[in-house]
Amino acid sequence: RKEVEQDPGPFNVPEGATVAFNCTYSNSASQSFFWYRQDCRKEPKLLMSVYSSGNEDGRFTAQLNRASQYISLLIRDSKLSDSATYLCVVNDGYNKLIFGAGTRLAVHP
Amino acid sequence: DAGVIQSPRHEVTEMGQEVTLRCKPISGHDYLFWYRQTMMRGLELLIYFNNNVPIDDSGMPEDRFSAKMPNASFSTLKIQPSEPRDSAVYFCASSLGAQGAPQHFGDGTRLSIL
Repeated sequence: RKEVEQDPGPFNVPEGATVAFNCTYSNSASQSFFWYRQDCRKEPKLLMSVYSSGNEDGRFTAQLNRASQYISLLIRDSKLSDSATYLCVVNDGYNKLIFGAGTRLAVHP
Repeated sequence: DAGVIQSPRHEVTEMGQEVTLRCKPISGHDYLFWYRQTMMRGLELLIYFNNNVPIDDSGMPEDRFSAKMPNASFSTLKIQPSEPRDSAVYFCASSLGAQGAPQHFGDGTRLSIL
């Protein structure tokens, strides 16, 4: 079983749509959780940290369910510029970050 | 503020040659990570340093790979001899603090071994 599992997609959505990505992780000792965004042929960039209470940054909302070891990302009012691969990331309980394989999002006009 | 700086951006070389990738972390960051990304295997951690000391190199594929961090502002990843299966994008990242602090990535080095 992979340490971090994501649906690879692609998710093809029209502009303005709401889209949700899910992720599960296997290490119950994980303490830090993030969503990164990676554009084609670019480096991963931190999108947002994920907190137990849930957190929101503009059109983006992240949720964490520790009991189910499940993380989600909701994007509202999708823009063309949101097209990218979204990486679910958890730490190993220490200093390493474990990256999921990513979910591809394609937003079309 | 300057981010993580990697060089070269692209490297094309023949198998058997030595390849050296370079990284300058964000000033003040005490952790430095080297990753490799391929379509087949995704993003893999190769090695990481804390305060210039290698902490975990369990991801280094084999003895052909070596990494050093002689000071807080510079690290190298060396492949000798290189093989075609080493072709990938190599990223360097740095972070401040422990326990899975968010990491900031450089632009990467796109390596092609012919």
